[in-house]
Amino acid sequence: KAGVTQTPRYLIKTRGQQVTLSCSPISGHRSVSWYQQTPGQGLQFLFEYFSETQRNKGNFPGRFSGRQFSNSRSEMNVSTLELGDSALYLCASSRIRLAGGADTQYFGPGTRLTVL
Amino acid sequence: AQSVTQPDIHITVSEGASLELRCNYSYGATPYLFWYVQSPGQGLQLLLKYFSGDTLVQGIKGFEAEFKRSQSSFNLRKPSVHWSDAAEYFCAVGKTGNQFYFGTGTSLTVIP
Repeated sequence: KAGVTQTPRYLIKTRGQQVTLSCSPISGHRSVSWYQQTPGQGLQFLFEYFSETQRNKGNFPGRFSGRQFSNSRSEMNVSTLELGDSALYLCASSRIRLAGGADTQYFGPGTRLTVL
Repeated sequence: AQSVTQPDIHITVSEGASLELRCNYSYGATPYLFWYVQSPGQGLQLLLKYFSGDTLVQGIKGFEAEFKRSQSSFNLRKPSVHWSDAAEYFCAVGKTGNQFYFGTGTSLTVIP
């Protein structure tokens, strides 16, 4: 079974631009979560999508948004890029969404975004 | 508030020596606990997880971890480290809704 795939792997943008990152989950997985990883802040949760609906959101500004399609593929968008948005963006997929806990998350290789 | 603490930022061990990476968590409900490993430029690979049951869990690559509720700990261990184990290790607590809280990570260096 193929793992989580993310495209593109590397991206260079300038301040003020916007960017869209894509994530394809493991086949059969319906939950997709996004994380931002930086040396200073570590791994931080952005949001989670399940059945095309955002179910959970971390503490990030509204410039960060996402969506999920009917095939569970997900995209995240960052508008009006800032230098501080430079990071590794990781996508993770889970098979289900547990009412009382968390299902195992499987991570993709990430998209390295550099903002100049 | 939920949080995960990995007290050791960096650990150096000799190849063949034993290893223990510490993880403490703060979580009000029953914790869903995970250990992941990350090699440079890569995503996170799941090593093992604890949901319930036996408090000693076995993972891939010869790793194991023990859940101790009284100490709010979930330490990762390996009896004999290999040079290929050099990487960054992250402990995580999974919250309802598949929201994970990660520790700051422990960087492992293995000396030949």
